[in-house]
Amino acid sequence: EPEVTQTPSHQVTQMGQEVILRCVPISNHLYFYWYRQILGQKVEFLVSFYNNEISEKSEIFDDQFSVERPDGSNFTLKIRSTKLEDSAMYFCASSSSQFNSPLHFGNGTRLTVT
Amino acid sequence: QQPVQSPQAVILREGEDAVINCSSSKALYSVHWYRQKHGEAPVFLMILLKGGEQKGHDKISASFNEKKQQSSLYLTASQLSYSGTYFCGTVRNSGNTPLVFGKGTRLSVIA
Repeated sequence: EPEVTQTPSHQVTQMGQEVILRCVPISNHLYFYWYRQILGQKVEFLVSFYNNEISEKSEIFDDQFSVERPDGSNFTLKIRSTKLEDSAMYFCASSSSQFNSPLHFGNGTRLTVT
Repeated sequence: QQPVQSPQAVILREGEDAVINCSSSKALYSVHWYRQKHGEAPVFLMILLKGGEQKGHDKISASFNEKKQQSSLYLTASQLSYSGTYFCGTVRNSGNTPLVFGKGTRLSVIA
């Protein structure tokens, strides 16, 4: 069964540094998402992406964050000037349609900011 | 606006039943249910669309009351493998809105 893959599985970075989290969505999916989960808490929506542009973003997704689909397969989340509170598990997800099909999640990247 | 889930946590013995509730103050287009085991990604269980429906998947089923904007997940004859955190996610009925998750219900099934 096709799956969403994320790299790296764990990223440690120093406060103020930039990180890029990578995702390869399922190949025939058209909608892509980033969610984050602070340890022990709920899964929070960050951004959705369709047709090479952001379709929705949450208030968490401020100027510190950006997303890109640099080629036909990868979907990236860039976090600039990382802060301690950015430490979380970041999940990429994809779906075939916007509202009535399941989200397929990757295994996540655990970001630790020190 | 995130949906509200209840209870926050529940402990069951194998074979017992449980109900997890999810409600929203906004009109919904769909309700999604996911289960997440510790250290893993959320895994899709089922989607219920507006129009009110009920779905089943083995011994896990769910209903969606569109008028009340409420959904319930029913776990019958629970197994150890049902342990995990259950999240409902809702899509509002107002255009281009994303799937937003509730805070989750932690289910522990013990022998």
